[in-house]
Amino acid sequence: DTAVSQTPKYLVTQMGNDKSIKCEQNLGHDTMYWYKQDSKKFLKIMFSYNNKELIINETVPNRFSPKSPDKAHLNLHINSLELGDSAVYFCASSVLGGRSPLHFGNGTRLTVT
Amino acid sequence: AQKVTQAQTEISVVEKEDVTLDCVYETRDTTYYLFWYKQPPSGELVFLIRRNSFDEQNEISGRYSWNFQKSTSSFNFTITASQVVDSAVYFCALSEENYGQNFVFGPGTRLSVLP
Repeated sequence: DTAVSQTPKYLVTQMGNDKSIKCEQNLGHDTMYWYKQDSKKFLKIMFSYNNKELIINETVPNRFSPKSPDKAHLNLHINSLELGDSAVYFCASSVLGGRSPLHFGNGTRLTVT
Repeated sequence: AQKVTQAQTEISVVEKEDVTLDCVYETRDTTYYLFWYKQPPSGELVFLIRRNSFDEQNEISGRYSWNFQKSTSSFNFTITASQVVDSAVYFCALSEENYGQNFVFGPGTRLSVLP
C-alpha cells in the first residue's frame, strides 16, 4: 500500500550515460513533483506536473526530461549524465493548491562516476 | 518571492533536553501554508504538520509543539524531552495559495540528540 514509490532506490552509473527514474503514486493526487537534494541537504524543486501538464520547470539543464504518461506517474529521464548530477532525487505528489502537503517517495540516490 | 530561512544549521542536545528549531519565512501572498518535515538518517521525508496563514493557534502533538507568529513571520518547532530517535534533519517549507504549485523548503536544521 505504498503511497509514492520510486525506482530504483540506488543508481550508480558513469558519466555520459542516460538513465531514468520512475515514480508512481496511488493517492489520487493530481500534481506530481521532482525535487533534487544535494550533498548539503538542500531540497530544490525541478519540475511539477498537474494532470500530465508541466506547470513548473525550474532552471534545470535540458538534459533532464520529465515525462508524465498519466497523473499517477511522473518519470525522470537524464541524458549525458555529469558528475554534478550526483544527488538524491525525490518524487512527490499532492493536490494542487498549496494546501495539501507533499507526500514523498523514498528517494533515488544517483551516483555518477 | 517565497523564501524560508532556518538559521540553525546544526543543533546538538542531550537526551531529555527541550529544543526549538527556528523557521522564518517571506511570502507575497495573504493565504499561505507552512509545513514541517523530518528526514531521519534513513533518508525518507516525513510530513509532520501543516498550518495555514489564518490559523495562528499553537499546536501540540505529544512531545512536539509549533508556534506560529505572523507578526514575526516565524513558525518555530519545539521538541520537549528530546529522544535519540528525534535525531534527524528538519525542514520548514512554505507554499502559497495563489502560487501553490511551488513548495519552497528551508535549508534544514540537523538535530543530534545525544544519549
